[in-house]
Amino acid sequence: DAMVIQNPRYQVTQFGKPVTLSCSQTLNHNVMYWYQQKSSQAPKLLFHYYDKDFNNEADTPDNFQSRRPNTSFCFLDIRSPGLGDAAMYLCATSRDKGQGPDTQYFGPGTRLTVL
Amino acid sequence: GQNIDQPTEMTATEGAIVQINCTYQTSGFNGLFWYQQHAGEAPTFLSYNVLDGLEEKGRFSSFLSRSKGYSYLLLKELQMKDSASYLCAVLDSNYQLIWGAGTKLIIKP
Repeated sequence: DAMVIQNPRYQVTQFGKPVTLSCSQTLNHNVMYWYQQKSSQAPKLLFHYYDKDFNNEADTPDNFQSRRPNTSFCFLDIRSPGLGDAAMYLCATSRDKGQGPDTQYFGPGTRLTVL
Repeated sequence: GQNIDQPTEMTATEGAIVQINCTYQTSGFNGLFWYQQHAGEAPTFLSYNVLDGLEEKGRFSSFLSRSKGYSYLLLKELQMKDSASYLCAVLDSNYQLIWGAGTKLIIKP
């Protein structure tokens, strides 16, 4: 089945220790998104890639970076995690963007705990 | 600014019907999505409305009124597995998805 995969599902890191979350997709979608979602809150878009074109949201902290080495994979790097970065991180994909409404398909998420 | 409003929490009884409302104020409109999110899991797509009216899909229906900036999700014959958060999201003029905070639906036997 075509799908969006995130690893790991649960990640524990220490305050200030860099961490990388990964996302892969077999849908062959052009667009990949990274969201941060805290409990009982709306998902907050951090950035997205339209193919190789990187789009950073204005209020995404510099502490968060992303890489998309190819169509299938996208990584979220948190350079120096703080306690406030503990959240669920959701990866999503959509077939296209800007040419009509496209449903976003989500991976299962990675729950990040910062100690 | 852009804003999506939904009730924080609702409670309903198994077998009953519940309506979850969503009002929005966005810069432009290219459609409205409803997603279901079980605790600790990712959102899953339920419906998409871009024209006024009711879209029915099994036990779930979604309604849109663009002139009123209003949508609702109607769930019939509620089952315990329907306990989840229901997120309303609007695609704005830049095709950016603006999310509501979600409505937590609690189903009681």
